[in-house]
Amino acid sequence: DTGVTQSPTHLIKTRGQQVTLRCSPISGHKSVSWYQQVLGQGPQFIFQYYEKEERGRGNFPDRFSARQFPNYSSELNVNALLLGDSALYLCASSSGLPRGTGELFFGEGSRLTVL
Amino acid sequence: AQTVTQSQPEMSVQEAETVTLSCTYDTSESNYYLFWYKQPPSRQMILVIRQEAYKQQNATENRFSVNFQKAAKSFSLKISDSQLGDTAMYFCALTESNYQLIWGAGTKLIIKP
Repeated sequence: DTGVTQSPTHLIKTRGQQVTLRCSPISGHKSVSWYQQVLGQGPQFIFQYYEKEERGRGNFPDRFSARQFPNYSSELNVNALLLGDSALYLCASSSGLPRGTGELFFGEGSRLTVL
Repeated sequence: AQTVTQSQPEMSVQEAETVTLSCTYDTSESNYYLFWYKQPPSRQMILVIRQEAYKQQNATENRFSVNFQKAAKSFSLKISDSQLGDTAMYFCALTESNYQLIWGAGTKLIIKP
C-alpha cells in the first residue's frame, strides 16, 4: 500500500511569496490534517479536513488556508510568507473521525525554508 | 487549555538497556487519548503506542509499554531491551477528540552501541 505522500519534499521561498504544499492520503482515508513543525519543537495543529469540509483549525493566521479535493487529496497554501513560516509541514491521514481511537498516518513532510 | 510537557530534552542509554521517557499533560476532559510517536532522522512520524484514558490497563506493544497515571496526569513510555533503531525523537501527544493532537516538545533518544 502507498503511504501518505507529500510534495514537494524541500522548497525555498523568499519573504512575501506564496507556497502550495500537496498531500495525498492513504487510499480509503477520508480525513487529512496538517501540522507545522518548527525545528526543535513538537508539531502544531493547523487544519483538519474530513469529507472535503474543514473540521478544525488551529491558531494560525488567515495567511494559512487549505482545501480537500473530491479524491481526498489536500493542499495547504501559505500567503505572504514570513521568516517564521520556515518549518517542516506534515500531512497526516486517517480513515475517519471516531474519537481518537484510530491512528494518524504521517507523510515525510515538506521542508519549507523562507529567506 | 490542553498542554503536554516533556521535561527531558535528550536521553542517552546503552543498547539493550531499559529507558523511560516522561510526559505530563493537562486537560479538563475526563475522556481523552494519549499517544507516543517516534520521529526517526528520516522524519516520518510513526505511532508507537496509544492509551485511552478510560482504560485503566496500561497499553503495551512488544518492547514498548506505558505507565499511565490518570490522577497525576502522567504518561511515561518505557522501552525495554533498547535497540539502535530506537534512536529518534519521541513525542507525547494528547487529543480530546477528532485527531487534533496537542504535542510535547519531544525527547531526543540516543541508543549507543
